[in-house]
Amino acid sequence: DAGVIQSPRHEVTEMGQEVTLRCKPISGHDYLFWYRQTMMRGLELLIYFNNNVPIDDSGMPEDRFSAKMPNASFSTLKIQPSEPRDSAVYFCASSQGFGLGYGYTFGSGTRLTVV
Amino acid sequence: GDSVTQMEGPVTLSEEAFLTINCTYTATGYPSLFWYVQYPGEGLQLLLKATKADDKGSNKGFEATYRKETTSFHLEKGSVQVSDSAVYFCALLNSGGYQKVTFGTGTKLQVIP
Repeated sequence: DAGVIQSPRHEVTEMGQEVTLRCKPISGHDYLFWYRQTMMRGLELLIYFNNNVPIDDSGMPEDRFSAKMPNASFSTLKIQPSEPRDSAVYFCASSQGFGLGYGYTFGSGTRLTVV
Repeated sequence: GDSVTQMEGPVTLSEEAFLTINCTYTATGYPSLFWYVQYPGEGLQLLLKATKADDKGSNKGFEATYRKETTSFHLEKGSVQVSDSAVYFCALLNSGGYQKVTFGTGTKLQVIP
């Protein structure tokens, strides 16, 4: 298995532009998570899905952020319009589901820079 | 709510030194506990885990024991290598039925030759 695949690895965009981050989870994993990592705030859970349905989006910072999971093998995180304070590394992770002891498998992340 | 507290870093050790990174947690119920490692420029990787009290997780020479009485899950390694330089995250997954993992803030380890 290729693991969790994220694209792009790096994204530099100008303030006000729309940014779309992509994630392909591991086949058979029922849960998908989007995290943001910054020096100041550490790892923050933005949103997670179960069987393609958003379960908890309480971590999404504001309406400029949206996430979708149209099918079991693809998810997007969109920022529109982007702002410099959105600069961070965004991680996608997937998991096998309910039950004790299931760890997450993380992708390599997308480093977003908004100038 | 659930929380994880890790010792602040960075931790700088010489090669072959003994490593301890402290982790304590607050949670209701019976959480599973994890250590993740993040190498520079990469995502987090599961290092080891323990699902119940007194369990010991181990991997790549690292160990951690789930201590319910002290609500701790300290990471240890007897002899660190330069290649162990990374950021280490302690985390818990509550058994309350949700798949939300709570992460600590991470501890950066630097091993010098």
